[in-house]
Amino acid sequence: QVQLVQSGAEVKKPGASVKVSCKASGYTFTGYYMHWVRQAPGQGLEWMGWINPNSGGTNYAQKFQGRVTMTRDTSISTAYMELSRLRSDDTAVYYCARGAGSSSWYLCDYWGQGTLVTVSS
Amino acid sequence: DIQLTQSPSFLSASVGDRVTVTCRASQDISSYLAWYQQKPGRAPKLLIYAASTLQGGVPSRFSGSGSGTEFTLTISSLQPEDFATYFCQQLSSHPLTFGGGTKVEIK
Repeated sequence: QVQLVQSGAEVKKPGASVKVSCKASGYTFTGYYMHWVRQAPGQGLEWMGWINPNSGGTNYAQKFQGRVTMTRDTSISTAYMELSRLRSDDTAVYYCARGAGSSSWYLCDYWGQGTLVTVSS
Repeated sequence: DIQLTQSPSFLSASVGDRVTVTCRASQDISSYLAWYQQKPGRAPKLLIYAASTLQGGVPSRFSGSGSGTEFTLTISSLQPEDFATYFCQQLSSHPLTFGGGTKVEIK
């Protein structure tokens, strides 16, 4: 069965960086995009971007351009999302979500459990 | 960016009620719309894609309709496990945006 297991909660100071991992299992990692979506406390969902694990190609939301980097390690079926120059309003739960494959690369059909990132001085 | 406006943002209903949530897009997105359900402390769960196609394993009381700029999610007979927040998402163009959410609570 498809599983996405994310790394644990993080507490960071403003200006620091955070790197969240997402380990995939139960499917061919390189065959599906991986999306990153975040949710601030009590707020809605915000799409951050995706990575194509096969090519390493990425597409980032304009809002995060220059601050976000999505990478992958195909040898361990793991995707990463690094966000730099953290601010207090980056406090959120960060989710990885699998793209649904060639039928719809942009549809998120399986989600990780989420990683809480708290930015506080 | 394509804006998605959900209404209502909050809905109070009873078990057995028929519930309808609307999602309006700021421009034509054809049928590139998905619906997700999210329960407190949990990740979102895909319910419907391509505006009206039920994801595998999702109960048939959920249905979706619409195309272009107006879409609806209907729960034909609300069950206790359906009390949650529902989000729409457009897949037509980047950035892939979500609606603000509709919280369905017990009356």
